[in-house]
Amino acid sequence: NAGVMQNPRHLVRRRGQEARLRCSPMKGHSHVYWYRQLPEEGLKFMVYLQKENIIDESGMPKERFSAEFPKEGPSILRIQQVVRGDSAAYFCASSPGSSGYNEQFFGPGTRLTVL
Amino acid sequence: EDQVTQSPEALRLQEGESSSLNCSYTVSGLRGLFWYRQDPGKGPEFLFTLYSAGEEKEKERLKATLTKKESFLHITAPKPEDSATYLCAVHGSSNTGKLIFGQGTTLQVKP
Repeated sequence: NAGVMQNPRHLVRRRGQEARLRCSPMKGHSHVYWYRQLPEEGLKFMVYLQKENIIDESGMPKERFSAEFPKEGPSILRIQQVVRGDSAAYFCASSPGSSGYNEQFFGPGTRLTVL
Repeated sequence: EDQVTQSPEALRLQEGESSSLNCSYTVSGLRGLFWYRQDPGKGPEFLFTLYSAGEEKEKERLKATLTKKESFLHITAPKPEDSATYLCAVHGSSNTGKLIFGQGTTLQVKP
């Protein structure tokens, strides 16, 4: 059973460009969470999605960041007009249920570097 | 507001020297406390879930315990391959499912 998959693993963008990060949850999981880990900081929640629905986006910056989890295909975290402060590791996690009692399993992350 | 504090920030042990990592939490209605292991350049790897005070779980050299205010991760006779950052996270009833993480404890086990 394949784990959570993220791609690309490394992404380099220049300031002002767009970054698209993709996440495929574990088989049988329908809930996806995105977290960001800044250098020397802990993991911070960004957004929680189910298929075609955003459940909680309380951790998302108000501008430039958006996320989706379409009916078909992976979840996408999009960062428009990237700035140097967006450089971080972005992790996706998935869980099978909605109760929150389920463990979240993490992918290997996408390391974004903004030049 | 839900909060998690881990201590110490860093811990150096000799191989075979047992110790404990602490995770103190403040949460409104604990739904679950989670321990993860993270190796450099990788994603967090799930270790344990604890749901109620008094609960204990074990896996190889690791044992996690939970009280109403804190959790401990006990490492018995560690080996160099146990070197990693250990993360504690909580899920509280006031939020939809997001995990609140502590800063982590970086463990180094020397042979």
